[in-house]
Amino acid sequence: RKEVEQDPGPFNVPEGATVAFNCTYSNSASQSFFWYRQDCRKEPKLLMSVYSSGNEDGRFTAQLNRASQYISLLIRDSKLSDSATYLCVVNKLGNTPLVFGKGTRLSVIA
Amino acid sequence: EPEVTQTPSHQVTQMGQEVILRCVPISNHLYFYWYRQILGQKVEFLVSFYNNEISEKSEIFDDQFSVERPDGSNFTLKIRSTKLEDSAMYFCASRVGTGGGKDGYTFGSGTRLTVV
Repeated sequence: RKEVEQDPGPFNVPEGATVAFNCTYSNSASQSFFWYRQDCRKEPKLLMSVYSSGNEDGRFTAQLNRASQYISLLIRDSKLSDSATYLCVVNKLGNTPLVFGKGTRLSVIA
Repeated sequence: EPEVTQTPSHQVTQMGQEVILRCVPISNHLYFYWYRQILGQKVEFLVSFYNNEISEKSEIFDDQFSVERPDGSNFTLKIRSTKLEDSAMYFCASRVGTGGGKDGYTFGSGTRLTVV
């Protein structure tokens, strides 16, 4: 089983749509969870950390279910500029390295 | 906003040659990393560096690879004898390290290495 698995995509959605990405992780000892965004041939950029209680940042909402080892990202009112690959990222323990999922590609269409 | 700086942005090298990829992490960050991403694949961990020594490395980081922090600001990745399969985007990253692993990384813009 892969350490971090994501919907493969691509997701093609119209502007204004709501889109949800899912991610599962295999290591129950994982401590920290993130969503990163990666534009084509660019570096990953931190979108948001994911907390157990769930958290929201503008149009973006992240949820964590530790029992199911499941993370989600919801994007409301999609913009053209949201088109990118969204990476689910997990940190196993403390200062151990981040583990990346392969990413889900999103295309927002006018 | 502070940045992680990587040079060069693109390096083409012949198989068997040595390459050095350079990074300048953010000045108050304590943890440094090299990751790579083969085209179309996921971002993969290579090595982490803390307190002037390697703290963890992956199976990818074999004897052909080495890292150094020669002068307190630069952080380099050396590949001794490049192979075709080393062609990838190499990302340097750093983080403050005071958040118990919960602080995010800042990535550099990467070096695209092409081995011919």
